[in-house]
Amino acid sequence: GAVVSQHPSRVICKSGTSVKIECRSLDFQATTMFWYRQFPKQSLMLMATSNEGSKATYEQGVEKDKFLINHASLTLSTLTVTSAHPEDSSFYICSARVFAGGIGGELFFGEGSRLTVL
Amino acid sequence: AQKITQTQPGMFVQEKEAVTLDCTYDTSDPSYGLFWYKQPSSGEMIFLIYQGSYDQQNATEGRYSLNFQKARKSANLVISASQLGDSAMYFCAMREGRGNTPLVFGKGTRLSVIA
Repeated sequence: GAVVSQHPSRVICKSGTSVKIECRSLDFQATTMFWYRQFPKQSLMLMATSNEGSKATYEQGVEKDKFLINHASLTLSTLTVTSAHPEDSSFYICSARVFAGGIGGELFFGEGSRLTVL
Repeated sequence: AQKITQTQPGMFVQEKEAVTLDCTYDTSDPSYGLFWYKQPSSGEMIFLIYQGSYDQQNATEGRYSLNFQKARKSANLVISASQLGDSAMYFCAMREGRGNTPLVFGKGTRLSVIA
């Protein structure tokens, strides 16, 4: 089946630094990828929709200048957490869907990236 | 308003027994898809089963079946013959419309299988 790979799986950084997380679709082209955030013991919350070749669409309350999303190719989307603070510590997970139309087609998820900001 | 409601924060089931995880949804779009994912402690999201709004029959995938009651807007997951490895978080999710829209997730149910 389709595979989405995410890297790094774990990252620890100092407050004020920036961290980049990569999301790759390994055997299919994804014009759209989705970035979710999950706090401990909570559900996945959509942060933004990443569109290849255009600007990402952010959900209400998500700071676009803090969470920079770049979807430069059909197989790669990156999320950069800029000037990270401890409250940004979370589990970030990306996803992509094989089919662009219809209501079917499962969403494949990356392995997730656990960010800890000290 | 919540689009996906999972009312059971935690569930316990005896090994080899069946268990039902509840999910209700809210949408006015006639075209939608309902999904169940399993998330073990490692964090990965594992797709289990899918039900489309126009599907006439309930979806089944091995030990997983989806009890789709459209009029009641419910999409409960039934796991038969529970195994210890089924212990995990289970999320119900919905995609609305026919475009490349994201999934919206419920709050999840933590299932614990007891030997």
